[in-house]
Amino acid sequence: QVQLVESGGVVVQPGGSLRLSCAASGFTFSNFVIHWVRQAPGKGLEWVALVADDVNNRKYADSVKGRFTIYRDNSKNTVYLQMNSLRTEETSVYYCARERWGSLYFDYWGPGTLVTVSS
Amino acid sequence: QSALTQPASVSGSPGQSITISCAGTSSDIGHYDSVSWYQQYPGRAPQLLIYDVTQRPSGVSDRFSASKSGNTASLTISGLRVEDEAEYYCCSHATTSTWVFGGGTTVTVL
Repeated sequence: QVQLVESGGVVVQPGGSLRLSCAASGFTFSNFVIHWVRQAPGKGLEWVALVADDVNNRKYADSVKGRFTIYRDNSKNTVYLQMNSLRTEETSVYYCARERWGSLYFDYWGPGTLVTVSS
Repeated sequence: QSALTQPASVSGSPGQSITISCAGTSSDIGHYDSVSWYQQYPGRAPQLLIYDVTQRPSGVSDRFSASKSGNTASLTISGLRVEDEAEYYCCSHATTSTWVFGGGTTVTVL
C-alpha cells in the first residue's frame, strides 16, 4: 500500500536549521512529484515546495524561497526538506504529499511531522 | 500568491445539503481545471475528496459533488451526516507554477 512517512520534526531555535525527511513506499517513486505542505496550529494549509524526478524541476512558495531547499534521493525513495533561518511563525505540522506527474492534485499524504520554532 | 477564499464555517442538519464556496482569481481557479478538495479531521492528515474540479476518487461517497464557474469553485455535501463534520479545503494550481489553498471551512452538523 502507498505510504508516505515524514520525520525530523523537533524543537529548534529561531534562526536555526532543520532537515525533514519523507520516506515513500508502495509505489514507483520516480513517477511522482513530491510536495511539502505545512499547517500552523489551528490554521489552514500552506503549500511549501515540490520536487519532480527531474532534479532541476523544483518550486518554492515565496515565503520560503532562498531559505528552504527540497531534494530527493530516488535510491532511497526519500525526499528531504532542508530548512534554514527558521522563523517562529513557521511552527507547523509539515506534511509530504504525492502528485502523479501533471495531475495537479495530491492523492496521498503522510501523517505529518511537527516542527516547533521557539527559543 | 494569495490564499483562496472560503467561508470560515458552514452548518446544516442531518440529511440537508450544504455548499462551500471557494473564490480564486483568473491566475488560479479561473485558469486551470485543477481544483481539488480535501477533507481533514482534527489531528489527521488531509484526504483527497475531489480532483479535476468534479471527479471523486474511488471510495469517496457520491454525496460529495463539486463544480466550478469562472473564478469560483464549490463543494456540495448532500444528505449531510454526522461523520461529515470536518475541515474542508479547496486547492488550485496557479500560473506561478505553485499551488494555493483556501483558508478552510469548518462543517458542523447541527
